Amino acid sequence: EIVLTQSPATLSLSPGERATLSCRASQSVSSSLAWYQQKPGQAPRLLIYDASNRATGIPARFSGSGSGTDFTLTISSLEAEDFAVYYCQQRSNWPLTFGGGTKVEIK
Amino acid sequence: EVQLVESGGGLVQPGGSLRLSCVASGFTFGGYGMNWVRQAPGKGLEWLSYIDSTTTTKNYADSVKGRFTISRDNAKNSLYLQMDSLRDDDTAMYYCATQGFDPWGQGTLVTVSS
Repeated sequence: EIVLTQSPATLSLSPGERATLSCRASQSVSSSLAWYQQKPGQAPRLLIYDASNRATGIPARFSGSGSGTDFTLTISSLEAEDFAVYYCQQRSNWPLTFGGGTKVEIK
Repeated sequence: EVQLVESGGGLVQPGGSLRLSCVASGFTFGGYGMNWVRQAPGKGLEWLSYIDSTTTTKNYADSVKGRFTISRDNAKNSLYLQMDSLRDDDTAMYYCATQGFDPWGQGTLVTVSS
């Protein structure tokens, strides 16, 4: 099973700041990595698939990069609605696995 | 608009069974694989199972293999998860999601407790 490690666990930032979230895989997943946003009481929402492709309707301030074992989700300028928990997911091997999440909170 | 609506959750005793349903609309359900994912209270996401469009391929997480069974009825635009031998640690919100995990349903809560 591929283990995904997300860091940091919590990111405390102010609106307008840049957020950089990391996801590291225990073995290569090529570019088969996705990112999700989850707000309290809501289902997760797909942000990025195949490491760097934005899902439909996702603002351009969200971007993904990386391949192999190291991936990054960047939010260029945080808006109020971006404070949430973010998860990465590998789709390379069965079983599919998720990282433990990064909470982006208001500083 | 693509929509997924789960149902069938509730309170069940350890060792019991439950069948979850997910009704899809707004897309050609029979053309896509589907997934189940769960989230224990205050915890992260755990992928559980996948079924392809023709039911040829079914995959399961080790944590539910042999206890849970995924199925679908394309004529009814419906996905199912039969959960047997339920344990306390199966308590979670259960979500269905499309093959590409976009979108997800709103979830149905399963509580396993005596």
